[in-house]
Amino acid sequence: DIQLTQSPSSLSASEGDRVTITCQASQGISNSLSWYQQRPGKAPKLLIYDASKLETGVPSRFSGSGSGTDFTFTISSLQPEDVATYYCQQYDHVPRTFGPGTKVDLK
Amino acid sequence: QVHLQESGPGLVKPLETLSLTCTISGGSIGSYFWTWIRQSPGKGLEWIGFINYSGSHGGSTNRSPSLAGRVTLDLDEPNNQFSLRLTSVTPEDTAIYYCARSPLGSLDHWGQGISVTVSS
Repeated sequence: DIQLTQSPSSLSASEGDRVTITCQASQGISNSLSWYQQRPGKAPKLLIYDASKLETGVPSRFSGSGSGTDFTFTISSLQPEDVATYYCQQYDHVPRTFGPGTKVDLK
Repeated sequence: QVHLQESGPGLVKPLETLSLTCTISGGSIGSYFWTWIRQSPGKGLEWIGFINYSGSHGGSTNRSPSLAGRVTLDLDEPNNQFSLRLTSVTPEDTAIYYCARSPLGSLDHWGQGISVTVSS
């Protein structure tokens, strides 16, 4: 199975801050990576697919980059509604796997 | 707009079989990978498996190796539903179970999730 590691596991930032989360795959996965946002008590929501493509309707402050084994997810200006846990997921191999998540809080 | 809704029992006894159904509205069942994911209390997301509609041949499936021996996935194309059966459940199977649609790999539509507790 492909293992995904996320860093950091949690972070606290101020409104308007730039937030960056990394996801590293245990082997190359091309650009077959998505990012999801999960607010407390809610189902995950797709934000980014194919490593860098913004899902329709998702604010442009969210972005993704990377390929191979190293990926980055960025919130350019943190908003209060962005408080959530963020997960990466690979779909280059079966079984699909998720990263352990990064919890983002407001300072 | 596509909407997914999980249904099934909220409580299952140990060693019994958990059966969940996902009903799809606002879209057809064809050309997608219909996926189950679960999330144990306070934990991350675990991929269970998917089933892909294959026309007259029913569905082709792929399941997590850690669960494959206990998991059955089915499609009911006329009723726009797909289902999950998990046999011989233990308390470790207590989780929120989500169904989701996958066009190619990413999961673009999710159900709200159903909480399942395994307890006697």
